[in-house]
Amino acid sequence: NAGVMQNPRHLVRRRGQEARLRCSPMKGHSHVYWYRQLPEEGLKFMVYLQKENIIDESGMPKERFSAEFPKEGPSILRIQQVVRGDSAAYFCASSANEGQGVYGYTFGSGTRLTVV
Amino acid sequence: GDSVTQMEGPVTLSEEAFLTINCTYTATGYPSLFWYVQYPGEGLQLLLKATKADDKGSNKGFEATYRKETTSFHLEKGSVQVSDSAVYFCALSSNTGNQFYFGTGTSLTVIP
Repeated sequence: NAGVMQNPRHLVRRRGQEARLRCSPMKGHSHVYWYRQLPEEGLKFMVYLQKENIIDESGMPKERFSAEFPKEGPSILRIQQVVRGDSAAYFCASSANEGQGVYGYTFGSGTRLTVV
Repeated sequence: GDSVTQMEGPVTLSEEAFLTINCTYTATGYPSLFWYVQYPGEGLQLLLKATKADDKGSNKGFEATYRKETTSFHLEKGSVQVSDSAVYFCALSSNTGNQFYFGTGTSLTVIP
């Protein structure tokens, strides 16, 4: 039973390009959570999605960032017109039901985005 | 709002030394508390958890007790090994369980 899968592991983009980060949840999970880890900091919540719905995007920057979780396929975190400050590690976690975070999530290995 | 404050690092210990990493929290309601570990270049792994006051979480020789009266969840290990070298994050989950709040992490290096 594969865990949460993220790809790519490493992504390099030039300023102004678009970055697409993918997260495949654990089998049977329909809830996905995205977190960002800036250098020397802890993880910060970005967005919580269920299949085809955004439930909580209170941690998403207002511009250039978007997320989706279609009926089929992985969840996508999309960053348009990347800037150097977007360089970070992006992690996702998944759960089968809402509220299971009280028991602890399993995170993927993350995508390390470097903007040059 | 909810938040976690943990001891700043880096921490360097000799093998077999005693480890304590302090963590205190601020939260409304009754959050669950966690310690996660991140090895170099890897994602976060759940190390241990406690879901209510006075619970003790334990795993791989690490322990932490949920102290509501001091709003703390300090991580301890009696005898560290070189393989314990990693960054340790204290975290709490919101009442809904849909959002985590992480500390800034404490880097631990264990030398032989």
